[in-house]
Amino acid sequence: EVQLVQSGAEVKKPGESLKISCKDSGYRFTNSWIGWVRQMPGKGLEWMGSIYPGDSETRYSPSFQGQVTISADKSINTAYLQWSSLKASDTAIYYCARQREGSSTSFGYWGQGTLLTVSS
Amino acid sequence: EGVLTQSPGTLSLPPGERATLSCRASQSVGHGYLIWYQQKPGQAPRLLIFGTSSRATGIPDRFSGSGSGTDFTLTISRLEPEDSAVYYCQQYGSSPLYIFGQGTKLEIK
Repeated sequence: EVQLVQSGAEVKKPGESLKISCKDSGYRFTNSWIGWVRQMPGKGLEWMGSIYPGDSETRYSPSFQGQVTISADKSINTAYLQWSSLKASDTAIYYCARQREGSSTSFGYWGQGTLLTVSS
Repeated sequence: EGVLTQSPGTLSLPPGERATLSCRASQSVGHGYLIWYQQKPGQAPRLLIFGTSSRATGIPDRFSGSGSGTDFTLTISRLEPEDSAVYYCQQYGSSPLYIFGQGTKLEIK
C-alpha cells in the first residue's frame, strides 16, 4: 500500500526559511511524479509544482515559480518543498500527492498534509 | 490561463436523492483529462474519478462522471450521509499543468 507521510506542523516567523518533507513508502518513487498542492484556510486546492524524482525534472505553476523550490532525494524516497523567506500569506496546509499508477494526469495518493502557520 | 468553474457552490440534499455537480472549463479539456476528488473536513483529498468517467479503486458505483469538451458532470446517486464533502474537479494539460475548480460543498441532511 502506498503511503505518503509528511513532516509535522510548523510555526514560523515572516522572513524565516523552511523545508517540509514527504516520504513515499511505495516502490515507484523514482518513476512517478510527486506534486505539491496548497490549501489556504477555508479555500480550495492549488497546484504548486511537481517533481519526477528519477531525473529531478521539475515543473512549476506560474503562480509559484520563483516563490518555492521543489526537490527530491531518491535514495530515501523523499520529496521536499522549500521556502527561503516566508510570508504571512504562506499560511496554509500543504499536501504532497503522487500520480496515479500509469498516468500523470491525476493524483492517486495523498499525504496527510503539513499545516504551516507564518505569524510574527 | 485556464479556469474551471464549479456549480453550485453549495448543494443540500436529503439521503437517497441524486446529486448533480457541474464543472465548466474555460478551454476545451483534452480527452480523459478531467478528474474529480472528494475532500472531507480535516482530511486530504481523495481521487474519485479519473479520465472523465473511470472510478478510482474502491469508489462505489454510485459515483459517476461524464462530459466532454468544456462541460463535465459528477453524479452521485442514492446519497448517503458519508457523501457530505467538498468535491473538486481538476483539469490536466493546460496552463498551469493542473487546474482545480473552486469546489462544490455537498451537504446531506
